[in-house]
Amino acid sequence: KQEVTQIPAALSVPEGENLVLNCSFTDSAIYNLQWFRQDPGKGLTSLLLIQSSQREQTSGRLNASLDKSSGRSTLYIAASQPGDSATYLCAVIERNFNKFYFGSGTKLNVKP
Amino acid sequence: DVKVTQSSRYLVKRTGEKVFLECVQDMDHENMFWYRQDPGLGLRLIYFSYDVKMKEKGDIPEGYSVSREKKERFSLILESASTNQTSMYLCASSFLPSSVRGGNQPQHFGDGTRLSIL
Repeated sequence: KQEVTQIPAALSVPEGENLVLNCSFTDSAIYNLQWFRQDPGKGLTSLLLIQSSQREQTSGRLNASLDKSSGRSTLYIAASQPGDSATYLCAVIERNFNKFYFGSGTKLNVKP
Repeated sequence: DVKVTQSSRYLVKRTGEKVFLECVQDMDHENMFWYRQDPGLGLRLIYFSYDVKMKEKGDIPEGYSVSREKKERFSLILESASTNQTSMYLCASSFLPSSVRGGNQPQHFGDGTRLSIL
């Protein structure tokens, strides 16, 4: 069964810092990988989706990379802002199954 | 923009009641999902459906059932609510990954229903 792990579980940084969130998965036979943001008490908002044939995707200050062979993805946030404070989750969908597998998330706090 | 709408943001029910949580999406997605989210346990899949009247058990289906009579609507039913079903419930939808539309399209979530069983 696919297992998705996110490290660290929590991260606190000063405003303006560049940071990297990590996601690893055990089975490399995936369709795609998605990064989400979740604000307290709210649903998940999709940030970036990387197809299995892609190496990275960018949106504004966010850059997500995918190394399928090693089972890893990173989310890079440039010039962090207090408004980036949230929990970030990654999820993979396997090639042979119609389900999404989620990591437990990284809780980010950006201090003013 | 894709819209996934959950019928209630907050709900309080009593032990033993039959509880219905409703979810509607407006993007003609084949897939619909119900998750629950608890502190320290992350997101856990309860049920999903890939077509009308079709359903598949997720990781924690016990105590729940689902109904998908129309493509846009997916209902989660707690047959006899218990206190351990107090949780945040999240509905999501997506295209089938194997479809022409599906491979590069994200999964979309509703805002969640915080359910308390007293």
